[in-house]
Amino acid sequence: QTVVTQEPSFSVSPGGTVTLTCGLNSGSVSTSHFPTWYQQTPGQAPRTLIYYTNSRSSGVPDRFSGSIIGNKAALTITGAQADDESDYYCVLYVDSAHWVFGGGTKLTVL
Amino acid sequence: EVQLEESGGGLVQPGESLRLSCAASGFIFSSYSVNWVRQAPGKGLEWISYISDSSTWYADSVRGRFTISRDNDKNSLFLQMNSLRVEDTAIYYCARDHEWHFDLWGRGTLVVVSS
Repeated sequence: QTVVTQEPSFSVSPGGTVTLTCGLNSGSVSTSHFPTWYQQTPGQAPRTLIYYTNSRSSGVPDRFSGSIIGNKAALTITGAQADDESDYYCVLYVDSAHWVFGGGTKLTVL
Repeated sequence: EVQLEESGGGLVQPGESLRLSCAASGFIFSSYSVNWVRQAPGKGLEWISYISDSSTWYADSVRGRFTISRDNDKNSLFLQMNSLRVEDTAIYYCARDHEWHFDLWGRGTLVVVSS
């Protein structure tokens, strides 16, 4: 069974930098998994932040960036702001299972 | 306005069926693949189904019970859900597939399976 792993929670100070990661139980994450990052606030539909590993969606501030670090996909927020406090989900394309979401990371800005 | 709007959610008993709809507007619906993604209360997102012009895919959790379909003439996506279980309780979102990600989401419709 394909499992995508994310940190359950993370905390960052306002103005600080945080990197959230997205791993795969069956091996390394690569660009061929088309890592995508979504942001979701309570009661709202998800919003695309990053797709194609590192492409920023329209209207997304450039403090959000995506990459591959080691064997994981990564979302880095540089200069965190209070309204970045949200849930963040990564999703990977896995041939046998199509799309698999991670469990999400709850980011606290304090 | 480019949007997706889900409907058809509600309260059903275990074992019953429900059909969800997703109405697309503001874009050429037939040019896109579309997906259903769900979110159980307080839980994470789960992709459950995909349809293009020629293929369908399902997550293991719903394969054999749920059927995805589309009517391009009516700009609509559907999800027929049979043999519903308590664990199918969730908000169901339709999401447009574009450049290998879900670039447009509806607001979701809530399905509650409970006796």
